[in-house]
Parts: sequence; C-alpha cells; structure tokens
Amino acid sequence: AQTVTQSQPEMSVQEAETVTLSCTYDTSESDYYLFWYKQPPSRQMILVIRQEAYKQQNATENRFSVNFQKAAKSFSLKISDSQLGDAAMYFCAYRSAFAGNTPLVFGKGTRLSVIA
Amino acid sequence: ETGVTQTPRHLVMGMTNKKSLKCEQHLGHNAMYWYKQSAKKPLELMFVYSLEERVENNSVPSRFSPECPNSSHLFLHLHTLQPEDSALYLCASSQDVSGSTDTQYFGPGTRLTVL
Repeated sequence: AQTVTQSQPEMSVQEAETVTLSCTYDTSESDYYLFWYKQPPSRQMILVIRQEAYKQQNATENRFSVNFQKAAKSFSLKISDSQLGDAAMYFCAYRSAFAGNTPLVFGKGTRLSVIA
Repeated sequence: ETGVTQTPRHLVMGMTNKKSLKCEQHLGHNAMYWYKQSAKKPLELMFVYSLEERVENNSVPSRFSPECPNSSHLFLHLHTLQPEDSALYLCASSQDVSGSTDTQYFGPGTRLTVL
C-alpha cells in the first residue's frame, strides 16, 4: 500500500519570504500523480499544484513550485513571496495512475503560519 | 468557489439520532467521494461512487450509509454514531474515477460532533 509522509507538523515563514514543505511517499508503482492541497480555516480543500510522475519537469503555479525527485520519492512544495493568505494546512497526496485504483492517499498535513 | 457544496456546515447530534449529510457538485463530474478528516490523522477515504454506483467501500461501519441518487448528489446517512465519529466529513468529486483527469475537488466539509 502507498503511504505519504509529511514530517513537519508545523512550519512558519515571514511574509515575503520563501518556505519549503516536505513530503515523501512510498510506492512500488512507476506511474502516478502527486498533489498539494491547501486547507485554509474555511476548511475548503483547494488544489494548489499537481505533478505527473512521468514528467521530469517540476510543476509551477505562480508562487508555488515543486521539487519532484522521483528516485528519492520526494515531492516538496516551495512557496515564494509568502503572503498572509497562504496560512493554512497543506496536504500532500498521492494517486496511482492505474485504472481502477482511484483514491487519493493523503499525508497528515503541515500547518503553515505566515508572520507579518 | 470549487463547485462542490455541502450542508450542513456544522452538525451536533446525540448517539441515538439519525441525520444526513448532503453533498452537491455543479461540475458535471461522474465520480463522488466521502472522506473523514480527524484531528492529527490523514484523510480517510470512506466511499467512492462512479455514475451513481458504489465502487469502493473502505471498511466503513454500517452506521454510515451512503446514497447517490444521481451523479450530482451524494448523501451520507448517519445513525447510532459514536463520539469517536466526531470529525470533519469532506465530500469531493472528479471527472471520472479512473480517468487521466483525476483531480478531486473538495467541498467545505461538515463539522460533525457526536455527544
């Protein structure tokens, strides 16, 4: 079974600075998807960024980028120019690309605080 | 606005009550999901529906009973719950269960407290 580990329960960053959230996963599959979800106090789970395992290029969405290291099974999220609105729980998630193997496997989350 | 709504947002119930959680998606998706989010634990997948048919049931106790009358609506019927069932219940939808466009979109959740 696949597992996702987020080793940092809490992180903090100064406004306008850069922070990196760690995520590692364990799988024997070669094709899969990885995601970062953000859950602000409103509790809405918002997709931040996703990465296809077959792509070597790291995904980027505005101030959010990932460092995907397939061999190391690592998928960290970098937030640049941090803003107060970035404060939230961040969940790393894994999904197999094989048909019929549907569910997202989530990590326990990292709570990010942004200091003004 | 992600197109997935859930009601109620908060629910307090006794162990003998019967209540239902409702989820509605306005995205034209074919798959819908129920997740349980407990404090300091990973998100737990409870049920998966594809085109109104249940395709996965992750060993969820029978006091949780899902219903999917159509591809836009998903219910979670609750009865005889236990205090440890108190959690945030999240609904999600995706285009298909096993398609390549697999991003799941989540609703805001229902905060359930069982007394």
